[in-house]
Amino acid sequence: SQKIEQNSEALNIQEGKTATLTCNYTNYSPAYLQWYRQDPGRGPVFLLLIRENEKEKRKERLKVTFDTTLKQSLFHITASQPADSATYLCALDPVSGGYNKLIFGAGTRLAVHP
Amino acid sequence: DAGITQSPRHKVTETGTPVTLRCHQTENHRYMYWYRQDPGHGLRLIHYSYGVKDTDKGEVSDGYSVSRSKTEDFLLTLESATSSQTSVYFCAIREVSSYEQYFGPGTRLTVT
Repeated sequence: SQKIEQNSEALNIQEGKTATLTCNYTNYSPAYLQWYRQDPGRGPVFLLLIRENEKEKRKERLKVTFDTTLKQSLFHITASQPADSATYLCALDPVSGGYNKLIFGAGTRLAVHP
Repeated sequence: DAGITQSPRHKVTETGTPVTLRCHQTENHRYMYWYRQDPGHGLRLIHYSYGVKDTDKGEVSDGYSVSRSKTEDFLLTLESATSSQTSVYFCAIREVSSYEQYFGPGTRLTVT
């Protein structure tokens, strides 16, 4: 079956460390993959998009990698801060036909401790 | 929340009653989406619209219908609510030239 998997267990790290979140998918060949942040009681907020021909994408303290052979994306937050605590969702469009009908992972909750 | 509002924000209703959720945008974006979010499942696409009066089904469309008579409004209707439709519903918008989706604040619906 087609699915996207993210670590269901919360990731707890110390402030200042690098947080690494994983997104694995099966039976898709997406042209791009997206990462969103979601705070409790709020809608997801777009963070980064990485295309299949890009190995790595950076935005400030965020870095995303995309390995189409492993069917995996890694999301890194360097110099993490308590304010980075949230749930992070990965999403892909399995069809890439222009309608952007995203399939989301269930998300990984990140807790950054002072 | 990128010029997106959802109403109501919270609703409790009884099984078998009709429910309509409204998504309103001020961005004039062409694409609009309805998702539901349940623990352990993440966001799942219910219906989407790619223009006025142009809509199509998503992954979990059974029991839901939508309408879009104006660019700014996208309505989600549960014709006869069931307890399995208890969820948090999110609306999202997207402009044609981008893949980024912008989400509304969500509606928490409880069907008793």
